[in-house]
Amino acid sequence: DVVMTQTPPSLSVAIGQSVSISCKSSQSLVYSDGKTYLHWLLQSPGRSPKRLIYQVSNLGSGVPDRFSGTGSQKDFTLKISRVEAEDLGVYYCAQTTHFPFTFGSGTKLEIK
Amino acid sequence: EVQLVESGGGLVQPGASLKLSCVASGFTFSDYWMSWVRQTPGKTMEWIGDIKYDGSYTNYAPSLKNRFTISRDNAKSTLYLQMSNVRSEDTATYYCTRDPPFAYWGQGTLVTVSS
Repeated sequence: DVVMTQTPPSLSVAIGQSVSISCKSSQSLVYSDGKTYLHWLLQSPGRSPKRLIYQVSNLGSGVPDRFSGTGSQKDFTLKISRVEAEDLGVYYCAQTTHFPFTFGSGTKLEIK
Repeated sequence: EVQLVESGGGLVQPGASLKLSCVASGFTFSDYWMSWVRQTPGKTMEWIGDIKYDGSYTNYAPSLKNRFTISRDNAKSTLYLQMSNVRSEDTATYYCTRDPPFAYWGQGTLVTVSS
């Protein structure tokens, strides 16, 4: 199985600051069609997960452009610019290039 | 609006069977692959498997393939997860999701395996 390693496990940030979360995969996530199926999810407290970014850098519907995703092959980053209170929760990366699909262990974002 | 509503969870004894359901609305169910994902009490996310839009093909996580079965009834816009010989480590919240992968999630249904 593809292992997804997320860092840091948690972080605390003040409103208005920027933050980055890293996700590294044990194998390249480039599929045979040339696309990279790496996604970012946010699970707000008490809620179901919500997809923020798909295929590395594409914003999901209704997701503010404070969120951005970058990376390639095995190394990916989620950046949140100008953090807002509603951004707190647990962020997961997930890959759907290889079966079985796998998730990172999550990064808990707290607001100072 | 896409809606996914899971049901069927609860307290179940080790070794028992349980069938979860996910009723979909707000889209043409028969056009989409669907998946099940679970989240343990420790918040670990695990993909269980998925099923093709016409029900003709399924994929499973190898560790669960022998005990879990995914099916669907397109006439009822309903996705199912049949769980057999459940174990304590199957205790989790179970979510159904719609393609594109992880684009839409239900609210989840909690399964607790305990004697």
